[in-house]
Amino acid sequence: DAKTTQPNSMESNEEEPVHLPCNHSTISGTDYIHWYRQLPSQGPEYVIHGLTSNVNNRMASLAIAEDRKSSTLILHRATLRDAAVYYCIRTGDEKLTFGTGTRLTIIP
Amino acid sequence: DAGVIQSPRHEVTEMGQEVTLRCKPISGHNSLFWYRQTMMRGLELLIYFNNNVPIDDSGMPEDRFSAKMPNASFSTLKIQPSEPRDSAVYFCASSRSRTGGFYGYTFGSGTRLTVV
Repeated sequence: DAKTTQPNSMESNEEEPVHLPCNHSTISGTDYIHWYRQLPSQGPEYVIHGLTSNVNNRMASLAIAEDRKSSTLILHRATLRDAAVYYCIRTGDEKLTFGTGTRLTIIP
Repeated sequence: DAGVIQSPRHEVTEMGQEVTLRCKPISGHNSLFWYRQTMMRGLELLIYFNNNVPIDDSGMPEDRFSAKMPNASFSTLKIQPSEPRDSAVYFCASSRSRTGGFYGYTFGSGTRLTVV
């Protein structure tokens, strides 16, 4: 059950913004949108989550479409340390299920 | 806050041996999750507990796998007997909610299991 759709991979230049897209066209009204990332040899790490409004924290911003069928994770200034697999997950009254995510490569 | 603590970080064992993986969740978190990650299957949820009670073990691959949570600060995942196909990284995560919808999960650093 592919609840979200993400590109398999993306590349970005260091110190430039990165926009990671996610489609979740079957999202219900009570589902949250979560983003996690997994750095090499580490466990998944929470990045950000939101319900309807755009969200900002020290790590990233989350832009949610008005119809909530898609969202974009924004890294404002990518560094080499941001190279990771990024997972977009929609979840409501259920446990977190991870897809294959987007592998982000940062080019120095 | 020390985060979710898993031990050991690496485990190498021979086929047929018993393996026990350990997890200490974050204090105050009432849900605990065991995941397995392989190249072929990605991150799979094996079992999760809420208030120390197993809620959903539908992801446990077979009877060789068992998990316990005797108290709020400790959980184990046991494989007996182990097989080479069990080789994977096993992650433990904890959360203030069983669904992760609002609070999200905090993951440990994982245990890399190799069965030879």
